[in-house]
Amino acid sequence: DSGVTQTPKHLITATGQRVTLRCSPRSGDLSVYWYQQSLDQGLQFLIQYYNGEERAKGNILERFSAQQFPDLHSELNLSSLELGDSALYFCASSGGLAGLYNEQFFGPGTRLTVL
Amino acid sequence: AQSVTQPDIHITVSEGASLELRCNYSYGATPYLFWYVQSPGQGLQLLLKYFSGDTLVQGIKGFEAEFKRSQSSFNLRKPSVHWSDAAEYFCAVGAWSNSGYALNFGKGTSLLVTP
Repeated sequence: DSGVTQTPKHLITATGQRVTLRCSPRSGDLSVYWYQQSLDQGLQFLIQYYNGEERAKGNILERFSAQQFPDLHSELNLSSLELGDSALYFCASSGGLAGLYNEQFFGPGTRLTVL
Repeated sequence: AQSVTQPDIHITVSEGASLELRCNYSYGATPYLFWYVQSPGQGLQLLLKYFSGDTLVQGIKGFEAEFKRSQSSFNLRKPSVHWSDAAEYFCAVGAWSNSGYALNFGKGTSLLVTP
């Protein structure tokens, strides 16, 4: 158990819909990262937040957005869903600003299926 | 741009045999290198990391990796594989870009252990 929790574990929805994935980092970790894992694209970094502020951005679509709240939990919002958005979405957390010298601890993931 | 290549999609080894998983990276500066393992239905767990210093790094579960700058490689090794090592293995490079710091993952190598 990494200490990172993600809800829900599974999510099934239809094209065009909007969903919210939730992540609670390890106690004391200030950085939260979101990743998307799919068969064709592999594991891709989406976005990072540190103490409520966006710090790094990867291959995140404009239809996707994220935020980190004062209690440090984070939410990833996916809208206008397409079939290709079906994937496993991971959240990770670390203690440092950049995670350079800190291990990123991964949650168990949320599996999103878009029908 | 930084990238990570794991040439082997699948590898099968016999229990007790030695293992080497290959990883090549492309990055202009000194890389921060990681190996993660993902068991079925689980998140990623860090096996080991390299930032600087001794090029042979020891990790958890009996794994080690050697950083070879001349070959741009960071191969993962284990002298004797156990059935419980069957999993997906990901090599990653941590790098800075205009968008901030992020982990870039390879596509992964799936390890099958036979009796």
